[in-house]
Amino acid sequence: DTVLTQSPALAVSPGERVTISCRASESVSTGMHWYQQKPGQQPKLLIYGASNLESGVPARFSGSGSGTDFTLTIDPVEADDTATYFCQQSWNDPNTFGAGTKLELK
Amino acid sequence: EVQLVESGGGLVQPGRSMKLSCAASGFTFSNYGMAWVRQAPTKGLEWVATISYDGSSTYYRDSVKGRFTISRDNAKSTLYLQMNSLRSEDTATYYCTRDPYYGYDYAWYFDYWGQGVMVTVSS
Repeated sequence: DTVLTQSPALAVSPGERVTISCRASESVSTGMHWYQQKPGQQPKLLIYGASNLESGVPARFSGSGSGTDFTLTIDPVEADDTATYFCQQSWNDPNTFGAGTKLELK
Repeated sequence: EVQLVESGGGLVQPGRSMKLSCAASGFTFSNYGMAWVRQAPTKGLEWVATISYDGSSTYYRDSVKGRFTISRDNAKSTLYLQMNSLRSEDTATYYCTRDPYYGYDYAWYFDYWGQGVMVTVSS
């Protein structure tokens, strides 16, 4: 299975720019997607196809990358962005998720 | 507004069975593939199974093949997951999700998620 590696945690101040990375163990082309999960809630789709913003998601969120290296950027970060962010690849079978990056606000 | 509401979770002994349901509303259920995704306590997410829009095709992760069955009733806009021979490692919150592609195609990512239902497998 394709393994997705994410940094476990990040801490940033409101108003800053943050990049959350996801590295795949093999190429996933642009079949990478990002989700936000707040405590006690279900995941929410933010970005699909590596760089496409899901409808209703603020333009502060953006995604980039292809192949094995991907980035989710939040600029500027707001207090409400405190959450865990998961990447998911759908290019290889089975689809797999990263372990998540917990974003904390200073 | 799209809504997915799961039910049927709880505590079950190892080796026993449990059936989850997911009531869908706010979209034409019969047009979309659907999936179950689970999340073990304090762990990451794991795709479990997918079913085509008409129920004719199903897909499973290896660890649940032969034990779990995904199905749907389009007349009732309801998705199901029958789980047999449950193991402690099946303990998780199970989410009902929608695949955003229309008809007989799959995106293999998920644009709407239910609130989830907890399944605990323990003696």
